[in-house]
Amino acid sequence: AQSVSQHNHHVILSEAASLELGCNYSYGGTVNLFWYVQYPGQHLQLLLKYFSGDPLVKGIKGFEAEFIKSKFSFNLRKPSVQWSDTAEYFCAAYNNNDMRFGAGTRLTVKP
Amino acid sequence: EAGVAQSPRYKIIEKRQSVAFWCNPISGHATLYWYQQILGQGPKLLIQFQNNGVVDDSQLPKDRFSAERLKGVDSTLKIQPAKLEDSAVYLCASSLDRRAFFGQGTRLTVV
Repeated sequence: AQSVSQHNHHVILSEAASLELGCNYSYGGTVNLFWYVQYPGQHLQLLLKYFSGDPLVKGIKGFEAEFIKSKFSFNLRKPSVQWSDTAEYFCAAYNNNDMRFGAGTRLTVKP
Repeated sequence: EAGVAQSPRYKIIEKRQSVAFWCNPISGHATLYWYQQILGQGPKLLIQFQNNGVVDDSQLPKDRFSAERLKGVDSTLKIQPAKLEDSAVYLCASSLDRRAFFGQGTRLTVV
């Protein structure tokens, strides 16, 4: 069965620190990959997506992610986090009408 | 554009009672998902509709959960009877091109 794994359950950073959240998927074949963010009390919002082409994708608010096919990974990065980035981050993979989410990583940014 | 609408936002019921959630997807979105998000976990797919047909309901506990999407637009998810472990946020999402747009969710507490 296809699955999505997120390595970090809770990450705590100070403002201006760099961020990298890990995501691995177990699909074979063509896969579409997403990162969603859920700010406290709000609904899930799309941060960025990868369908095809350039494996380095840029999303909103300075986030980017790199698709590495050989590693089945789609890690999320941001060079300098802000307090307002405090949220839960979910990696998701879509293949053949099936969309699965990882367990999520809670990011806490200390001012 | 208008987003995915869900109601109610919150619901508290006693175990063994029944409950229903409603979802109105974004206009024109053929695909509709219901997810269950238990605290501290990622969204888990319960059922996926394509127009008014079921694409995937393999993770839906069919002895107590049911869902329908009449006329391929609005959808309802019902739980009867509810158990304590059904306490979660129930998310509805719709998509047109593999990108899922989420509603605010319904937070269900079973006591």
